[in-house]
Amino acid sequence: QKEVEQDPGPLSVPEGAIVSLNCTYSNSAFQYFMWYRQYSRKGPELLMYTYSSGNKEDGRFTAQVDKSSKYISLFIRDSQPSDSATYLCAMSATGAQKLVFGQGTRLTINP
Amino acid sequence: SQTIHQWPATLVQPVGSPLSLECTVEGTSNPNLYWYRQAAGRGLQLLFYSVGIGQISSEVPQNLSASRPQDRQFILSSKKLLLSDSGFYLCAWSGTLRQGLGSPLHFGNGTRLTVT
Repeated sequence: QKEVEQDPGPLSVPEGAIVSLNCTYSNSAFQYFMWYRQYSRKGPELLMYTYSSGNKEDGRFTAQVDKSSKYISLFIRDSQPSDSATYLCAMSATGAQKLVFGQGTRLTINP
Repeated sequence: SQTIHQWPATLVQPVGSPLSLECTVEGTSNPNLYWYRQAAGRGLQLLFYSVGIGQISSEVPQNLSASRPQDRQFILSSKKLLLSDSGFYLCAWSGTLRQGLGSPLHFGNGTRLTVT
């Protein structure tokens, strides 16, 4: 079993829809949770960074962490074609030098 | 602000040739540095990371090696490339534990390597 599971998709939704991206994990020591956005032929870009459980909102993006269920989510409201990219979740334990990444979900927003 | 530079952006090399990819970080000191490889349609594979000059940890020992000759410089090398070395190579940095526990990674724009 992988430490972090992420549905690779692809996921295709119409413009304006609410998108939900998810990851599950098995290591209860994970405390830091990140979402990255990667456009084609570019490096991943940090989108959201949260610590422990709870919600964090930044514009159209909301990150949720449920440590009791070992489940994290990224919601995109009013999705735009420019949101089309691969989204990777990542997480780490306190003091860890390395992140553990999900496989990434390929998202397409259709105009 | 911190920036990370990675070059070249694209590289085509014959099998058996050497490789040298360079990465530099500006605007921070004593960063943790990382090399990842991303195969087409697949996740990120950590190759090497470094917490200081001359300190290299290898995650996937193959025909690749890494060096950190200066605080903000990280180099990925190979003496003889294999076809299987083709991929998208990404350099990344993070703050040290003293600067913030669980500091996130910041990536460069990668080098697309094709071994022919």
